[in-house]
Amino acid sequence: KQEVTQIPAALSVPEGENLVLNCSFTDSAIYNLQWFRQDPGKGLTSLLLIQSSQREQTSGRLNASLDKSSGRSTLYIAASQPGDSATYLCAPTGGTSYGKLTFGQGTILTVHP
Amino acid sequence: KAGVTQTPRYLIKTRGQQVTLSCSPISGHRSVSWYQQTPGQGLQFLFEYFSETQRNKGNFPGRFSGRQFSNSRSEMNVSTLELGDSALYLCASSLGQGAPTEAFFGQGTRLTVV
Repeated sequence: KQEVTQIPAALSVPEGENLVLNCSFTDSAIYNLQWFRQDPGKGLTSLLLIQSSQREQTSGRLNASLDKSSGRSTLYIAASQPGDSATYLCAPTGGTSYGKLTFGQGTILTVHP
Repeated sequence: KAGVTQTPRYLIKTRGQQVTLSCSPISGHRSVSWYQQTPGQGLQFLFEYFSETQRNKGNFPGRFSGRQFSNSRSEMNVSTLELGDSALYLCASSLGQGAPTEAFFGQGTRLTVV
């Protein structure tokens, strides 16, 4: 059974800082891993999808890395802004799990001006 | 390109009633998954449908059921509602064929059971 842990649980930083959010998972037999953000009371917005064969994926100020063998992924946020404040969730997907994403509890990020 | 659409956005129901939630996936996507999100349990997988067939199911009681239509739209039904069913219900769509692809979520339906 896949279990996902995200560290830290919460993070509060001043605007402009570079951030690192960590995700670990117990079953390394994954096909890909997605990072999402969720604003309060809203749905999930996909940020990055990283395939198991990839080491990194970048989108704007976001960079995700994946070390499948050690069961870890990291999301880097460069030059954080107040608009980045949200809950960040990672979700690995197994090859035969048919639509099932397993989520951790997320990291609540607050970026203050 | 339209995103994933969930209706209604908000619902208030009484214990013992039943409720039906709807999800329209992104055009061309054939897989629809449903999740329940609560403060205590986080995001939990309910079930996944592809081409009108349930391919995967989470650990929820039989009161939770779903179906998918030929146009890939999906409905989720909860019967005999309990207070603990109060949650944000999210659906996600993806291509669904072959290897897992990027999943896109709707805005959710907020269900309150009183």
